[in-house]
Amino acid sequence: SQTIHQWPATLVQPVGSPLSLECTVEGTSNPNLYWYRQAAGRGLQLLFYSVGIGQISSEVPQNLSASRPQDRQFILSSKKLLLSDSGFYLCAWSPRASMNTEAFFGQGTRLTVV
Amino acid sequence: AQKVTQAQTEISVVEKEDVTLDCVYETRDTTYYLFWYKQPPSGELVFLIRRNSFDEQNEISGRYSWNFQKSTSSFNFTITASQVVDSAVYFCALSESVTSGTYKYIFGTGTRLKVLA
Repeated sequence: SQTIHQWPATLVQPVGSPLSLECTVEGTSNPNLYWYRQAAGRGLQLLFYSVGIGQISSEVPQNLSASRPQDRQFILSSKKLLLSDSGFYLCAWSPRASMNTEAFFGQGTRLTVV
Repeated sequence: AQKVTQAQTEISVVEKEDVTLDCVYETRDTTYYLFWYKQPPSGELVFLIRRNSFDEQNEISGRYSWNFQKSTSSFNFTITASQVVDSAVYFCALSESVTSGTYKYIFGTGTRLKVLA
């Protein structure tokens, strides 16, 4: 069966420090991958999605970037964190299929920038 | 543009009451999918249901039921005889086709449901 791993679960980082959040998927190949952010009162905002290795689409201009160095690995990064980067970050995957299925989410990373 | 609106920010009910969570969507696609997810306090999103735009039949799963009305662009979720364990944030979502086999998921802002004992 497929599983998605996301870490760390919680992170407290000072303003101006770098960020690296990692997400891996097991039990499937060639998945669509997504990074979402959940800020208070704003629901789930799609940040990036990827359809393949090295292929990243950005949805919202921001201080963050994403990379997909391997088929089932998706990384969210920042060179210098801002206070506004605080939030709950969720990685998700969906199968590449002609019929739309649901997305499957990781357990999330709660980031607090201080 | 694709959009999902969940106008109810927070709802509080007493245990055993029925509660309906509203979801209204906008899309230019003729074929699309709608979803409901539950987010318990742990934070992980739990998938509840998927519905495609050609299937307007209501669906019931235990205490949960969904009412899809294409004419009003709504996909509402009802919990019958609510329980404390139903307390969570509930998200409605709409998929948007990006390329063949790839979709984006557009979420509403969520409705926080509090079920009081």
